[in-house]
Formats: sequence, C-alpha cells, structure tokens
Amino acid sequence: AQSVSQHNHHVILSEAASLELGCNYSYGGTVNLFWYVQYPGQHLQLLLKYFSGDPLVKGIKGFEAEFIKSKFSFNLRKPSVQWSDTAEYFCAVSPPRGDYKLSFGAGTTVTVRA
Amino acid sequence: DADVTQTPRNRITKTGKRIMLECSQTKGHDRMYWYRQDPGLGLRLIYYSFDVKDINKGEISDGYSVSRQAQAKFSLSLESAIPNQTALYFCATSDLAFNDGGELFFGEGSRLTVL
Repeated sequence: AQSVSQHNHHVILSEAASLELGCNYSYGGTVNLFWYVQYPGQHLQLLLKYFSGDPLVKGIKGFEAEFIKSKFSFNLRKPSVQWSDTAEYFCAVSPPRGDYKLSFGAGTTVTVRA
Repeated sequence: DADVTQTPRNRITKTGKRIMLECSQTKGHDRMYWYRQDPGLGLRLIYYSFDVKDINKGEISDGYSVSRQAQAKFSLSLESAIPNQTALYFCATSDLAFNDGGELFFGEGSRLTVL
C-alpha cells in the first residue's frame, strides 16, 4: 500500500476556480509534510512545507495547505487559480525518524483552462 | 545558472549499455539524492549520500550504482541498462535532515530511454 496517497490523478478547471488537492499519509507519529510543484518542462520546486507550529501553512504563489493530524491529511488549496498554475503537484511526507527519506505521492496533474 | 545541474538532459540508449548520469551542485549541501520519476508512481529514491564517504541504498537501488566524487558531485550509473529503467531521473540536494526542517532542491531532470 502506498504510504502517501493523492486521490486525484488529473484535475481540470477554469481560471478563477478554487482548487483543493487531497493528500493522505499512513505514518503514525511526528511527520514533516511538503508540497512540490513541477511546471511543464521545469524541475520540481517547493510550494510549501509543514515542520511544526501553525497547521495552516502558506506557501508561494497564493497556495496554502492545512495539516489535520487526526485525519492524516495535508490538503493543498488555492482560492482562485490562474492558467500559470497548470502543473503537476506532488505531496511528500518525511516519516518519523526518516531524516533521509521523503515519500512522494503519485502526483496530481492540474490543467487550468483560460 | 542552475544550482543543481544534471547531464545529460536526454539520452536514448540500447539494452545492455552502460549509462552514467551526472549531477553537480553549487549549493554547498552535503546531502545528495537520486530519484526516479515514473507516471503514476511519483518519485522513488534510488540512492542517497550524506557526505563523500557515506553512500546508502534507497528503495529501488537494484540495477543502479552511484559514486560521490566530491561534495559537489554525485553520479548515477546503470551498469547494464534495461527497458524498464526508462524514466525521468532527478538529482536533488538538501542542507538539513527533513525532520529538522530541511527540503529538497532538484535538478532539471535527465530523461533516459532504454530501447
């Protein structure tokens, strides 16, 4: 079973629509959580990360994510998407005591139509 | 210039050939990683290294080897390439352990096709 699950494989939406991408993980204990984005033809870059503190994390380009420990979730949100948000989005989790390891989800392709 | 540079960016080769993918970084990080990306599977860790004398297998190391020539250089080799090694390969670095707030910095990827 995959340790990090992204439920949506491909999301298509129009500009100005709201976006929410689901991410669930199966590790118990303290984890660190990340969202990475891969724009077409580019390398992966960090959108945001949760290390500790406020479970609502704000990242670059208007994205935010909420860590809900009881639900083992770290969903990514953006209130109003732009065409330039077309990309593939990866959730990643560093498991307890896994200081070297990031487990990645399968990714969600987001297509924003102008 | 990119902080994490991979060469070649694209390579087509034949089954049984030896292939080396090279990675160099200017970030000064000790930790370097090689990942493989396949559609529907996300990224999977092949090897990682915390310094020049420290090399560790990841979750899918079979069929691969690595060399950490210097702090800034980490190469991935396929001794005898096979078609199911066709994938997009990423090198990455980090400055800290992930549970200390570290994050990965990626290269632009090397697309390998094995015929």
